[in-house]
Amino acid sequence: AAGVIQSPRHLIKEKRETATLKCYPIPRHDTVYWYQQGPGQDPQFLISFYEKMQSDKGSIPDRFSAQQFSDYHSELNMSSLELGDSALYFCASSLPGRVVQYFGPGTRLTVL
Amino acid sequence: EDKVVQSPLSLVVHEGDTVTLNCSYEVTNFRSLLWYKQEKKAPTFLFMLTSSGIEKKSGRLSSILDKKELFSILNITATQTGDSAIYLCALNAGGTSYGKLTFGQGTILTVHP
Repeated sequence: AAGVIQSPRHLIKEKRETATLKCYPIPRHDTVYWYQQGPGQDPQFLISFYEKMQSDKGSIPDRFSAQQFSDYHSELNMSSLELGDSALYFCASSLPGRVVQYFGPGTRLTVL
Repeated sequence: EDKVVQSPLSLVVHEGDTVTLNCSYEVTNFRSLLWYKQEKKAPTFLFMLTSSGIEKKSGRLSSILDKKELFSILNITATQTGDSAIYLCALNAGGTSYGKLTFGQGTILTVHP
């Protein structure tokens, strides 16, 4: 069965650089969620999109922005990267109106 | 603010043992509670619970919710080394927080042969 696809899987950046993470939801899933998981931490909700509109916002820094495109894929743009942004970034998707979220494999971002 | 607390934070058992993982929560508008298993990478879905007292079961895993006392448990019987993982409890609240999941800290389960 098709799963959530995230790219890249690993990313290494320097401080103050920018990064773009991509997420391709499971076919027919119209809602996308982004989570950040620091080392030894639980996933923290960042932002979500439903039908290409932002539906909810969590603890996402102003340096980050995201959008969902017409094909439902989503991109998380991160600027002025800081050491503390080093984490595993998960994307999850869900069917219309459904609660269960299916997670992608994550992008491990390392900021040096 | 919605809150999820899991216990114990870590658990070490031997194959064949039975384990019970706990999840308590505080929420303004409860919608559902979900359990996920996280091994190396992405959390994988186990159960979703919305009603009190109805047990969800899948093989050796089962879970139940108590909405009055605001907790859920995840039971694993006859544990195997492949059950070693982090088990995450997550809350889905209604209202303006529609959709997002609030996770607990997770329980790290280690099953020794």
